[in-house]
Amino acid sequence: DAGITQSPRHKVTETGTPVTLRCHQTENHRYMYWYRQDPGHGLRLIHYSYGVKDTDKGEVSDGYSVSRSKTEDFLLTLESATSSQTSVYFCAISGGRKGETQYFGPGTRLLVL
Amino acid sequence: AQSVTQLDSQVPVFEEAPVELRCNYSSSVSVYLFWYVQYPNQGLQLLLKYLSGSTLVKGINGFEAEFNKSQTSFHLRKPSVHISDTAEYFCAVSERDGNKLVFGAGTILRVKS
Repeated sequence: DAGITQSPRHKVTETGTPVTLRCHQTENHRYMYWYRQDPGHGLRLIHYSYGVKDTDKGEVSDGYSVSRSKTEDFLLTLESATSSQTSVYFCAISGGRKGETQYFGPGTRLLVL
Repeated sequence: AQSVTQLDSQVPVFEEAPVELRCNYSSSVSVYLFWYVQYPNQGLQLLLKYLSGSTLVKGINGFEAEFNKSQTSFHLRKPSVHISDTAEYFCAVSERDGNKLVFGAGTILRVKS
C-alpha cells in the first residue's frame, strides 16, 4: 500500500453545508491529487498540488477548493455542497522512479441530500 | 489534450476463458499508459504501466498489455480468468512531461462460473 489515508470514509450531509475531506500521505511525495468517480465517467481530476501552498485546477474544479499547508496533507473543501457533488472522492499521490505513477487512497463516499 | 476510450462498458466471460479489454487513446505528444483495477468498494490498484521500452508489459495477477503506437491502443489481456478477477478496470494516459492522468470510463469484467 502507498501510505495514503482518507477521512472520513463515508459522509452524509445536507445541501448548502460546507464539507472538508482530508488526504494524508506518509510517503513525502511532492504531487497530490483529488479525483471524483461517477458511473460512466471514470475518474476526473478536481484539483492537484505540486508542493506546499502550490495548487492548480483540474477538469472539474467548479464548486471545490483545496489547501496544502503541509507536505503530508491535502484538503478538499466543498464550500456549499450540492446534490451534484454526491460522488466517491479519491486522493492520489505521484510515486515511481520519475513520479509518473499515481497511487490511490481508499476513497471517501459522499452523499449530499 | 489527451482522451481515452474504453470500447466496452461490460465484458462477461466464463471462468478459465481468455479475455481482452480494449483501450484506445488520443494524444498529440508521447504518453505513458496505465491500467488500474478497482474491486467492489475499494480504491484503485495499479495493474501495469507502459513507460518506454518493450511494448508488451506484464503486470500483476497474470495480466499483460501491449502498446501499439500506430493504432494508439493499449489493450489488456489475460489468458485464463478467475472469478476473483471480477472488477472494474480503468485505462489511463498521461503526457510524458506532465503529471495529470486522464481516465477512460471503465470496463466492468464479470467472470461467470
